[in-house]
Amino acid sequence: DTAVSQTPKYLVTQMGNDKSIKCEQNLGHDTMYWYKQDSKKFLKIMFSYNNKELIINETVPNRFSPKSPDKAHLNLHINSLELGDSAVYFCASSQAGTVNTEAFFGQGTRLTVV
Amino acid sequence: AQKVTQAQTEISVVEKEDVTLDCVYETRDTTYYLFWYKQPPSGELVFLIRRNSFDEQNEISGRYSWNFQKSTSSFNFTITASQVVDSAVYFCALRVYNQGGKLIFGQGTELSVKP
Repeated sequence: DTAVSQTPKYLVTQMGNDKSIKCEQNLGHDTMYWYKQDSKKFLKIMFSYNNKELIINETVPNRFSPKSPDKAHLNLHINSLELGDSAVYFCASSQAGTVNTEAFFGQGTRLTVV
Repeated sequence: AQKVTQAQTEISVVEKEDVTLDCVYETRDTTYYLFWYKQPPSGELVFLIRRNSFDEQNEISGRYSWNFQKSTSSFNFTITASQVVDSAVYFCALRVYNQGGKLIFGQGTELSVKP
């Protein structure tokens, strides 16, 4: 029944490692997003995909690479992890073209880089 | 550029008090949408309400009410008779038409309701 699900919920890893976060939505939405929430709780968009096409890339380091195999999935791969990447990453989805619709968020992935 | 400001970083009230969370937004666009989300201690983001720029009608849902005023670019949120379960971080967000659906969030207001 989960609308937007992302895995894992917690991720602890060492600096320099590469890791991925997976996201899936079963709402039939055509647009998916990644947001980053920093230690001060500030939420900022990172990427947006519409029907597998990248439409927003908000000056995110190229160590972060989103991949959308289909419109129901948007994964986030992070290379050469740094301490500053520690944050909570939220996946979300909405229906584009109908911007009045709300975005539905996954439960978040807390990434800790040590 | 668009911006959302939630000037109240933290608010602490005692149960049954009424509390208003302020939200001020900036945009030059005439078509935009405003949202409130709740983030309880468990961490998920829960949608509460959306409002479009052409609809200034206030809304009430149970103990929650929202006051949208374009003249002051504000979209304030009031909780009546607050309860401990209302303790959370509340985010106001702006979405502008034709920008890929991205949400621009305010800094959040952490509400603590004490018994």
